[in-house]
Amino acid sequence: DQQVKQNSPSLSVQEGRISILNCDYTNSMFDYFLWYKKYPAEGPTFLISISSIKDKNEDGRFTVFLNKSAKHLSLHIVPSQPGDSAVYFCAASRRALTFGSGTRLQVQP
Amino acid sequence: DAGVTQSPTHLIKTRGQQVTLRCSPISGHKSVSWYQQVLGQGPQFIFQYYEKEERGRGNFPDRFSARQFPNYSSELNVNALLLGDSALYLCASSLEGRANYGYTFGSGTRLTVV
Repeated sequence: DQQVKQNSPSLSVQEGRISILNCDYTNSMFDYFLWYKKYPAEGPTFLISISSIKDKNEDGRFTVFLNKSAKHLSLHIVPSQPGDSAVYFCAASRRALTFGSGTRLQVQP
Repeated sequence: DAGVTQSPTHLIKTRGQQVTLRCSPISGHKSVSWYQQVLGQGPQFIFQYYEKEERGRGNFPDRFSARQFPNYSSELNVNALLLGDSALYLCASSLEGRANYGYTFGSGTRLTVV
């Protein structure tokens, strides 16, 4: 039973455009949501998080939106840069993290 | 400023053997969590320790065990290794083991079981 789902295994965007990564969850008890970025042979690197009591959090080029009624969150990257190319994981937390399966983002120069 | 350190970085074991993986958290962090990442999937929660006590356990068999030491470092032990245990094992440290304090991951230990 996958409680956190990332239905798009890959996404390709042009440099300078917006990247939108999506994530759905089923457990309404999650109280925090996080996005991590992962390069091969490295551990996940924290990007941005949002509390379940908020609907938007912004940090530079990264914005996370939370729609609790739809149990959906998204990560917007504007503008996208080639260095953003990596696998992005959505994670949800009550205490431990439950991860989605990841979306591979490719930003084309 | 040291981050989360894991050792070894890579190892190869034979089916049926036992393995011990080690993790040192960020200085001041009292919680350590272990995750298993199989190729093509997201990390899966194995254990969480806070102040040397087990705070949570994921859906893994009893062959997996862990402990946290007084200096907050941690070991993950896996007995009777199976081919399916081949994965990247990640350690994450946090101040108190709650997401609002953030989790910082190490680079992982790549375990290959042959």
